[in-house]
Amino acid sequence: DSGVTQTPKHLITATGQRVTLRCSPRSGDLSVYWYQQSLDQGLQFLIQYYNGEERAKGNILERFSAQQFPDLHSELNLSSLELGDSALYFCASSPEGNTDTQYFGPGTRLTVL
Amino acid sequence: AQKITQTQPGMFVQEKEAVTLDCTYDTSDPSYGLFWYKQPSSGEMIFLIYQGSYDQQNATEGRYSLNFQKARKSANLVISASQLGDSAMYFCAMREAPGGGGADGLTFGKGTHLIIQP
Repeated sequence: DSGVTQTPKHLITATGQRVTLRCSPRSGDLSVYWYQQSLDQGLQFLIQYYNGEERAKGNILERFSAQQFPDLHSELNLSSLELGDSALYFCASSPEGNTDTQYFGPGTRLTVL
Repeated sequence: AQKITQTQPGMFVQEKEAVTLDCTYDTSDPSYGLFWYKQPSSGEMIFLIYQGSYDQQNATEGRYSLNFQKARKSANLVISASQLGDSAMYFCAMREAPGGGGADGLTFGKGTHLIIQP
């Protein structure tokens, strides 16, 4: 158990819909990262937050957005969903001042029908 | 160009043998970090080992070691005395220096599917 929690574990929805994925980092970790793992694209970095502020953007679509709240949990919002958005979405966190280790949560498997 | 290349899509290895999983990387940043993760069939990503570009010695964590050859830009994972539970996907990843056009987000290779046979 990495200490990173993600909910829900599975999510099935329809095209055009909007969903929110939730992540709680390990206790004390200020950095949160979101990744997408799909068969087509492999594992891709989407976005990073540090202590409530966006720090870096990767290959995140404009239809996707994220935020980190004062209690440090983070949410990834996916809108106007397409079939190709079906993937495993991971959240990871890293300790303050040490990005040598990123601990991954169990992931949320999103299926868009 | 791919930043992380894992040339072995799949490997079969006998139990108790040592395994080397290949990883080459491409970066112009002098400061970077290299990671290996294990993903069993259950799907979670398990951190195995980290090597910084300035680390003088190869990283080791239990049965895992990282054969870091900076000039060749390779960071192979070595698993000693393989076990059936080592069967999984293994991903090599890189973090380039933040603020240098990079971010703390990791860039992953496509992975190697390792199967340990009894």
